[in-house]
Amino acid sequence: SQKIEQNSEALNIQEGKTATLTCNYTNYSPAYLQWYRQDPGRGPVFLLLIRENEKEKRKERLKVTFDTTLKQSLFHITASQPADSATYLCALALPGGSYIPTFGRGTSLIVHP
Amino acid sequence: SAVISQKPSRDICQRGTSLTIQCQVDSQVTMMFWYRQQPGQSLTLIATANQGSEATYESGFVIDKFPISRPNLTFSTLTVSNMSPEDSSIYLCSVEVGTYEQYFGPGTRLTVT
Repeated sequence: SQKIEQNSEALNIQEGKTATLTCNYTNYSPAYLQWYRQDPGRGPVFLLLIRENEKEKRKERLKVTFDTTLKQSLFHITASQPADSATYLCALALPGGSYIPTFGRGTSLIVHP
Repeated sequence: SAVISQKPSRDICQRGTSLTIQCQVDSQVTMMFWYRQQPGQSLTLIATANQGSEATYESGFVIDKFPISRPNLTFSTLTVSNMSPEDSSIYLCSVEVGTYEQYFGPGTRLTVT
């Protein structure tokens, strides 16, 4: 069956460091992969989308890589700040059909001042 | 982008009763989605609602339990019928804007006692 794996353990880092979150998937050949941020009691907020033919995408302090051979995406936040503390979800969509994404469980990031 | 509101933001209901959740978008959209997010779990798609047609339900979700209305391009409702404690969850609506970007409402936190 198709599976999306994100580290269930929280990632704790110091302010100013680079946070790296991992999304692994099996039995997928996704058309694209997305990353969302979710704060407690709020709905997810779209951050970045990377397509299957792209290796890397950047937006301000965010960088996403997509390795379809390893079936893995890495999500980086450089110069992290306490305000970056949240849960980050990855989502995959298969080609064809409606491209509705399937979400992973998310990884909690805690940035300590 | 899109601004989405949901009502109610939270509710505590008795088993056997029904709750209707409203979702309002600030612009006209073709597709609206309803998700469920149980504690510590990923978002699970319940159904896709297109204006003017019957909602499309995902495996494990049926219309009798989760009837959906989509009377126009800015509004949808999801009813959770004959509730049991297992229905306690956060229910989220979302819309697709642009290319595959999903925008979520703040969610409705439902507790069934």
